[in-house]
Amino acid sequence: EPEVTQTPSHQVTQMGQEVILRCVPISNHLYFYWYRQILGQKVEFLVSFYNNEISEKSEIFDDQFSVERPDGSNFTLKIRSTKLEDSAMYFCASSPGLASHDEQFFGPGTRLTVL
Amino acid sequence: KQEVTQIPAALSVPEGENLVLNCSFTDSAIYNLQWFRQDPGKGLTSLLLIQSSQREQTSGRLNASLDKSSGRSTLYIAASQPGDSATYLCAVSSGGSYIPTFGRGTSLIVHP
Repeated sequence: EPEVTQTPSHQVTQMGQEVILRCVPISNHLYFYWYRQILGQKVEFLVSFYNNEISEKSEIFDDQFSVERPDGSNFTLKIRSTKLEDSAMYFCASSPGLASHDEQFFGPGTRLTVL
Repeated sequence: KQEVTQIPAALSVPEGENLVLNCSFTDSAIYNLQWFRQDPGKGLTSLLLIQSSQREQTSGRLNASLDKSSGRSTLYIAASQPGDSATYLCAVSSGGSYIPTFGRGTSLIVHP
């Protein structure tokens, strides 16, 4: 069964460094998403992406963040100048479309630890 | 702004019990509602999706219902097993947006 994959599973970085989190969405899906979950808190939406453009973003997704689809399979989240409070699980998701019956399928997540 | 609340926050039951997890939401103009399972330190696994026009969905031992007028959904798990132990998340898309708002989840432990 097709699934969303994410790499790395765990990333440790120093405060102020840049990190790139990678995702491979399900191949025939058109919509891609990034979410984060700070330990013990709710899953929060960051950004959605369609047709090589950001389609929606939350107030969390400020200039520190950017997304890119560098090729036909990868979808990346870049976090510049990381802060301690960026430590969280980051989930990538994809969906075939935006119809009400279209489920979002989540990857296993990347645990980001900022020291 | 949509608010999603899940009760109880935690639940511990013996194996074999039928149980109900609750999700309530404040904006009844929903697009769809999705139930997920999350194992510790892992990603989210989609269990059931209920569209706005539907009242319930079933998959195996799981049944999810939706009552938009009261702003509630329930996830019913029949004959619970230790392997059902996980956190169950409710996510509601509403207000013309397909972006879901998540609840905090119900942490379920099923002991043998």
